[in-house]
Amino acid sequence: QKEVEQDPGPLSVPEGAIVSLNCTYSNSAFQYFMWYRQYSRKGPELLMYTYSSGNKEDGRFTAQVDKSSKYISLFIRDSQPSDSATYLCAMRNYGQNFVFGPGTRLSVLP
Amino acid sequence: SAVISQKPSRDICQRGTSLTIQCQVDSQVTMMFWYRQQPGQSLTLIATANQGSEATYESGFVIDKFPISRPNLTFSTLTVSNMSPEDSSIYLCSVGDAAEPQHFGDGTRLSIL
Repeated sequence: QKEVEQDPGPLSVPEGAIVSLNCTYSNSAFQYFMWYRQYSRKGPELLMYTYSSGNKEDGRFTAQVDKSSKYISLFIRDSQPSDSATYLCAMRNYGQNFVFGPGTRLSVLP
Repeated sequence: SAVISQKPSRDICQRGTSLTIQCQVDSQVTMMFWYRQQPGQSLTLIATANQGSEATYESGFVIDKFPISRPNLTFSTLTVSNMSPEDSSIYLCSVGDAAEPQHFGDGTRLSIL
């Protein structure tokens, strides 16, 4: 079993849809959880960063962490064509290396 | 967050040659990292570049193949040595510390002929 697994995608949705991106993990020691967005030919850009279980909202983006189920999600409301990118989840324990999911490619169709 | 610049942004190299990739940060940072991202895949950590000491390499990566320098708190280089087509990849520099998320440069797209 991989340490971090992510919905494989690719995922295509119409503009305005609610998008749900998900990752599961096996290491219960992970404490920090991140979502990165990566546009083609660009480096990963940090979108959301959470420490504890629960929800964190930033504009159209909501990150959800459920440590008991070892499951994290990123929700995108009112999706836009500009949201078309690959989304990577990442997690770590304090002072330890990051572990990245394989990424989900999202296309939002106008 | 820190602004990270990588050079070159892309290159096409001949088999058997070496290429040095530079990473410059606009502020002093404790930790710098080098990743490889193969087409359609996620990020794999190559090594952590330590200022004033040797880099710490991950399993499967060795100093002879990927020598790293970290002369100060704002700069690092990664050399890909004796390149083969299997080294064709995106190489990414990132910065961070023990409790903060990492921030990435835009990467160097390397193709080996």
